[in-house]
Order: sequence, then structure tokens, then C-alpha cells
Amino acid sequence: GNSVTQMEGPVTLSEEAFLTINCTYTATGYPSLFWYVQYPGEGLQLLLKATKADDKGSNKGFEATYRKETTSFHLEKGSVQVSDSAVYFCALSDGVTGGGNKLTFGTGTQLKVEL
Amino acid sequence: DVKVTQSSRYLVKRTGEKVFLECVQDMDHENMFWYRQDPGLGLRLIYFSYDVKMKEKGDIPEGYSVSREKKERFSLILESASTNQTSMYLCASSFWVSAEAFFGQGTRLTVV
Repeated sequence: GNSVTQMEGPVTLSEEAFLTINCTYTATGYPSLFWYVQYPGEGLQLLLKATKADDKGSNKGFEATYRKETTSFHLEKGSVQVSDSAVYFCALSDGVTGGGNKLTFGTGTQLKVEL
Repeated sequence: DVKVTQSSRYLVKRTGEKVFLECVQDMDHENMFWYRQDPGLGLRLIYFSYDVKMKEKGDIPEGYSVSREKKERFSLILESASTNQTSMYLCASSFWVSAEAFFGQGTRLTVV
């Protein structure tokens, strides 16, 4: 079955540091890949997505590239801010299969950014 | 903006009670989902629905049921609440052909 593995947290960084959160996946076919973010006390919000190999998703300074050869979708940001403190979830969808288009999530990585 | 609204942010229920968690979306989405979120386990799919009156089991359906009588509303039912169902419950919706899901703010349920 499908699965997503992401690095365990918490990850603690100083403001303006470089961020990488690793994500690898196992899936049949050609999945779409997503990063979701959850700020304290809130639901999940879509951060970025990529639907085919070599696509780069980007939003709010975050980037991730769909690497089929390494089955990875690592999240990066060049300079983090305190406001980026949140839990980040990597997820995949293997496409429409009888309806539903379900997402499989990783366990989440908590990011703490300090001044 | 797409809005997915869950009826309660916090709930405290007693063991054995029947519990209803309600979710409403305003974007005419076909798909609706219920997940539970637990530390170290991420999000796990309980049930989903891709049409009115249609439902399918997710990865952890035991102890839960769902109802979708109208397109915009998807209810999660705990038939007889137990302490191991203490968790954060998240509702989500999406269009038929899109995997991009929109989430509600979550309901933190405590069963005592």
C-alpha cells in the first residue's frame, strides 16, 4: 500500500536559518505529492503541491521538487521566520480510484523557529 | 474562500455515550473525509464519502459510522464512545477529480 515517511521532529532553528524537512514515499503508479501545514490550534492548510515527476511546487518561500528516481519530496526554505513555526505534513494521492481521491499522510514534523 | 466548518472545537463526553461530530462545506465538493490525528501517528482516515448516501471505510473505521444525507454535510458518529477515541478529529472536502483537500479547524474530543 501507499506510505509516506518524514523526518521526526521537533526541528528547532534560529530565525533566518535554512530549512529542510525530508519526505520519502512508497506508492503504485504516479502519485501527486503535497505539503500541508498546521499552525497551532488550527486545521491543515495546503502549502504546495506537485502532480508529476520533476515538478517543483512553491509557496510563501517554501519549495519542494517531485523526485521520482529517489521517491522523495523534500521541503525547503532558504530563511525561516518565527511565524513558520508549525507542524508540516507530507502527503500523497494516487489519483482517482473509484472516487474519493484519498490522501495518505506522513506523521508530521514540528518546526520551532526561535529568535 | 472554501470553508469547511466543524460544529465544535472542543467536546468532553462520557464513556458509552453516542457522539455526533458534524461537518459542513460550502463549495459543493463531492468528496468528504473524516480523519483522526494523534501524536506520532499523523492523520489516519476513518471514513470517506464521494457522493450523497455513499460511504467507504478508511484505515481505522472500527467504532465509528458516518452519515451523508446532503452533499454539504458529513457526520461522524461514535456509537459508544471509549477512552481510546480521545483524539483530534479533522473533516476535509475536495472536488471529485482533485486530491487537494480543504480542512476544517478540528474537534478535540475527550472521552472520560
